[in-house]
Amino acid sequence: DTAVSQTPKYLVTQMGNDKSIKCEQNLGHDTMYWYKQDSKKFLKIMFSYNNKELIINETVPNRFSPKSPDKAHLNLHINSLELGDSAVYFCASSQDVVSGSSDTQYFGPGTRLTVL
Amino acid sequence: AQSVTQLGSHVSVSEGALVLLRCNYSSSVPPYLFWYVQYPNQGLQLLLKYTTGATLVKGINGFEAEFKKSETSFHLTKPSAHMSDAAEYFCAVSRYSSASKIIFGSGTRLSIRP
Repeated sequence: DTAVSQTPKYLVTQMGNDKSIKCEQNLGHDTMYWYKQDSKKFLKIMFSYNNKELIINETVPNRFSPKSPDKAHLNLHINSLELGDSAVYFCASSQDVVSGSSDTQYFGPGTRLTVL
Repeated sequence: AQSVTQLGSHVSVSEGALVLLRCNYSSSVPPYLFWYVQYPNQGLQLLLKYTTGATLVKGINGFEAEFKKSETSFHLTKPSAHMSDAAEYFCAVSRYSSASKIIFGSGTRLSIRP
């Protein structure tokens, strides 16, 4: 069974479109994250949710909107896609948030977004 | 503020040779330190972590790292490299706090020569 799953794995779209990436974890974790990995492999956190509550919101354009319908799911919606949004987006989860900064994060396989 | 510096974006070693990947951190409070590995076209996977206690930490696949506070380092080593160790390795730092985030280094690509 996949612990953290993301769909789709690949996403190719035109500039200006709106797209969503879905993430689900079956680990029973309380905290979920979205990361962006650029072409140089640099990995940066975008958002973090704990039990459906937003706890980390980095300096990300407001075209990016996370949504957590329940603690097992954290989706990422992106409006008006731009060329610079091309990257690999990773979802991750961890057990807890208060002590969670020492907790292992479990990563999904990534979604490679290409904006043309 | 916390930060992580990984020295060397690319390290190449021969199969069977020692692997040494360098990581230095900056933190005003006792840090939590991690090494994650990313195989091609996959997500990150935890190799090992230091939180408190013993400064020599053993991880999966024969890797280990030593927390040296005086040197603000957390270098990753493996005595004998295998071809399967070829991957991208990320050092990361965080601290105890609600809403604390993990800061990742820029990564080191490890290549193994036959």
